[in-house]
Amino acid sequence: GAVVSQHPSWVICKSGTSVKIECRSLDFQATTMFWYRQFPKQSLMLMATSNEGSKATYEQGVEKDKFLINHASLTLSTLTVTSAHPEDSSFYICSARDSGTSTDTQYFGPGTRLTVL
Amino acid sequence: TQLLEQSPQFLSIQEGENLTVYCNSSSVFSSLQWYRQEPGEGPVLLVTVVTGGEVKKLKRLTFQFGDARKDSSLHITAAQPGDTGLYLCAVFPRQAGTALIFGKGTTLSVSS
Repeated sequence: GAVVSQHPSWVICKSGTSVKIECRSLDFQATTMFWYRQFPKQSLMLMATSNEGSKATYEQGVEKDKFLINHASLTLSTLTVTSAHPEDSSFYICSARDSGTSTDTQYFGPGTRLTVL
Repeated sequence: TQLLEQSPQFLSIQEGENLTVYCNSSSVFSSLQWYRQEPGEGPVLLVTVVTGGEVKKLKRLTFQFGDARKDSSLHITAAQPGDTGLYLCAVFPRQAGTALIFGKGTTLSVSS
C-alpha cells in the first residue's frame, strides 16, 4: 500500500529556533498534501493544504508566516515552524493524496513529535 | 461549531465488554471514514462507509452509516486490550480532493 514518511519522528529544540519537518510520499506522487496538528488527548486539527508548485492554503487561525510550507516536488512537502515557542509543542502529522487515482483516499504519515523548551 | 460530534469522549471498560461510539452531524456526507490511532503514531484507516444504512464488519468491529448519511456508529463486541486507542470519525466536507476533517475522537481504554 501507499506509504507516507515523516522526518524527523521527534525533535526537541530551544525556544526561538526554527524546525523543519519533512513529509514524503514513498511510492506515489502527491500534488496535494495536508498538515495537521494534534495536542495531547485531542483530535487532529487541519493546519494547511500544501499544493505542489503553488502557495499553501492555511486554515483560519493558523499563522502562515510562522508555519512555512513548501511543496517543491510531487513527493515532498516541508513544514517549517519558525521562531518556535513552547506552545508550538505538539504532534504534527502530514497526509498525502495519491494524484494517480480518482479516489479521495489520504495516506497518513507516522507523525513528528515537536517539543520546544 | 464542531462539524462532527463524537461521543463518548472517553471510555474505560473491562475486557469482554461491548461498546458503541457515535459520530453525529447535521450535515449530509457522501462518505464517512473511521480511523484508529495509537499514541505516537499516525491514524490508520479502518473503514469507509458510503451508502445510507450501510453496515460493514471488520472482525469484532461493526460500522453503520445512518440512513440519511448524517451519522455513523462503531460497535465493538467483546473488547480486548488490543482495541485500546483513539477512534476518530472523519469526512470530506468540501469538494473532492480536499482535506479530511476529523471529529474530536473517542479515547478507549480496555483493561484485562
